[in-house]
Amino acid sequence: GAGVSQSPSNKVTEKGKDVELRCDPISGHTALYWYRQSLGQGLEFLIYFQGNSAPDKSGLPSDRFSAERTGGSVSTLTIQRTQQEDSAVYLCASTAQTGFGSKEAFFGQGTRLTVV
Amino acid sequence: AQKITQTQPGMFVQEKEAVTLDCTYDTSDPSYGLFWYKQPSSGEMIFLIYQGSYDQQNATEGRYSLNFQKARKSANLVISASQLGDSAMYFCATRTGANSKLTFGKGITLSVRP
Repeated sequence: GAGVSQSPSNKVTEKGKDVELRCDPISGHTALYWYRQSLGQGLEFLIYFQGNSAPDKSGLPSDRFSAERTGGSVSTLTIQRTQQEDSAVYLCASTAQTGFGSKEAFFGQGTRLTVV
Repeated sequence: AQKITQTQPGMFVQEKEAVTLDCTYDTSDPSYGLFWYKQPSSGEMIFLIYQGSYDQQNATEGRYSLNFQKARKSANLVISASQLGDSAMYFCATRTGANSKLTFGKGITLSVRP
């Protein structure tokens, strides 16, 4: 596609349920990021995938959060046993890493997750 | 580890005037990139401008310019001739090396008054 695509755009779930958020990056982009943004706040880094390297999971807030990237393209962020504090907008971004990282990241529109 | 600091409270500027949004960073890597993004109320993240650590000149993109002071580790965004549509949240970000994550500051809210 032309841009980074995220689905669903909105998700309302009951506390304790599992959710899966999907990100389809720009074709050919080797790097993919997940961020979380609470209302009116900054971007909280969650996880970073770069090519075939081991992902940087240092931002995942708990073991309820996991992410995978299949075939170096689509990524899925899974939140197990959701809590109300997980409510936020989850943003995905991808970038073309060509040599020194001078390329900007392109963001999707985000998934707004509401845990009730 | 990379760290980005944006400490200004909400900023206000009169339409058609210039405004500077501050950003300082902390990295021990000599090679890094600095980015500014705009996030309007619609929520989309819009890339504005990029500065490489080895770039000799300050980056400019239309009404946006970057006041890059390497020794002070600051990369302030200057918006000239502010427009009402510039009202948004602005984020500074950095990435070091070719394979590291993009780290964002907490952002600054800019409001342009007519």
